[in-house]
Amino acid sequence: QKEVEQNSGPLSVPEGAIASLNCTYSDRGSQSFFWYRQYSGKSPELIMFIYSNGDKEDGRFTAQLNKASQYVSLLIRDSQPSDSATYLCAVIGNSGYALNFGKGTSLLVTP
Amino acid sequence: DTGVSQDPRHKITKRGQNVTFRCDPISEHNRLYWYRQTLGQGPEFLTYFQNEAQLEKSRLLSDRFSAERPKGSFSTLEIQRTEQGDSAMYLCASSFLSSGGYTFGSGTRLTVV
Repeated sequence: QKEVEQNSGPLSVPEGAIASLNCTYSDRGSQSFFWYRQYSGKSPELIMFIYSNGDKEDGRFTAQLNKASQYVSLLIRDSQPSDSATYLCAVIGNSGYALNFGKGTSLLVTP
Repeated sequence: DTGVSQDPRHKITKRGQNVTFRCDPISEHNRLYWYRQTLGQGPEFLTYFQNEAQLEKSRLLSDRFSAERPKGSFSTLEIQRTEQGDSAMYLCASSFLSSGGYTFGSGTRLTVV
């Protein structure tokens, strides 16, 4: 069982809509959770991190964490075509060292 | 300081040859990580340094792979006797001790022919 699971998509949303990206993880001792955006042919860039249960907002992005359900999500409000990319969920598990990444969800925002 | 720097950006090599990649992290970051990413997959952890000490190695890192970080500054990743399955993007990232978020370099794309 892979430690971090994401639906590979593609997830297609119209411009201006809310995109909802989901991620589950298997290590119940995980402490830190991250969302990275990766454009085709580029390296991942950090967009959000969350450590505590609940919501964390940063501009158009909201990260949500539910440790009891081992579930983390990313909401993108007012989606723009420039948001079209692969979104990678990453978790630091009990070891506290390396980020474990999911396969990523491909998001397509259509004009 | 413009971020994490990786060299070369692209490398094409023949099967069986040795290759070496370099990573220069952000200067104040003491943690350095190597990842490998293939098409359609998320980055896979290879190894991790805190300063000059290599603290963790993935089971993915076979005996043909070796990484160093002399003096806790830049790092090198060497692959000996390359195989076609080694073709991938090799990503380096760095972070500061108290922060979990990494900054990635642009990566080195390796093609083994």
